[in-house]
Amino acid sequence: NAGVTQTPKFQVLKTGQSMTLQCAQDMNHEYMSWYRQDPGMGLRLIHYSVGAGITDQGEVPNGYNVSRSTTEDFPLRLLSAAPSQTSVYFCASSYEQGADNEQFFGPGTRLTVL
Amino acid sequence: AQTVTQSQPEMSVQEAETVTLSCTYDTSENNYYLFWYKQPPSRQMILVIRQEAYKQQNATENRFSVNFQKAAKSFSLKISDSQLGDTAMYFCAFCDNYGQNFVFGPGTRLSVLP
Repeated sequence: NAGVTQTPKFQVLKTGQSMTLQCAQDMNHEYMSWYRQDPGMGLRLIHYSVGAGITDQGEVPNGYNVSRSTTEDFPLRLLSAAPSQTSVYFCASSYEQGADNEQFFGPGTRLTVL
Repeated sequence: AQTVTQSQPEMSVQEAETVTLSCTYDTSENNYYLFWYKQPPSRQMILVIRQEAYKQQNATENRFSVNFQKAAKSFSLKISDSQLGDTAMYFCAFCDNYGQNFVFGPGTRLSVLP
């Protein structure tokens, strides 16, 4: 199993550009989520999905869109990038929603918005 | 809203010694989960240990153990026989019983010195 994979590893954008961060898992996990990590702060939940076709907002959803058309993939879209979105982004998955299910994290994407 | 506080931004310990990382949290819920995650320089988030709030017995995982004080809302991590590979950022995290509110602390940077 590859586990949770994220692409790209690094990305630089200009303000106003759009892009999609890819996340995929091959563990047949129902629950997937996106976090951002900023210096001096822990991870903050952006969006999550409890299964294909179902998504919901986390703590900091503004400026981000998600969709879940398949169990395996959970892309994160930035429609108009802003410098405040400079961060490291982590995707995670677990068998299903619930704190008794271990979350597996991807390696992260470092995004810089100029 | 739940909050997680880690009051030690940085700590260091000599190899083979024992170190304790502090974590406090705030919640009005009775059933929840607490976690310690390790993030080495590779950025990969790795689950170290998990504690269920309804269990009074402190969780232990090899050299890692916790001191869970529910009334005081305290959840410290003890690392025994510290190894160079333990050098990492350590994040304390809280999650409600439904897995809907995953909140991370700001992290403690631990350096294990040879």
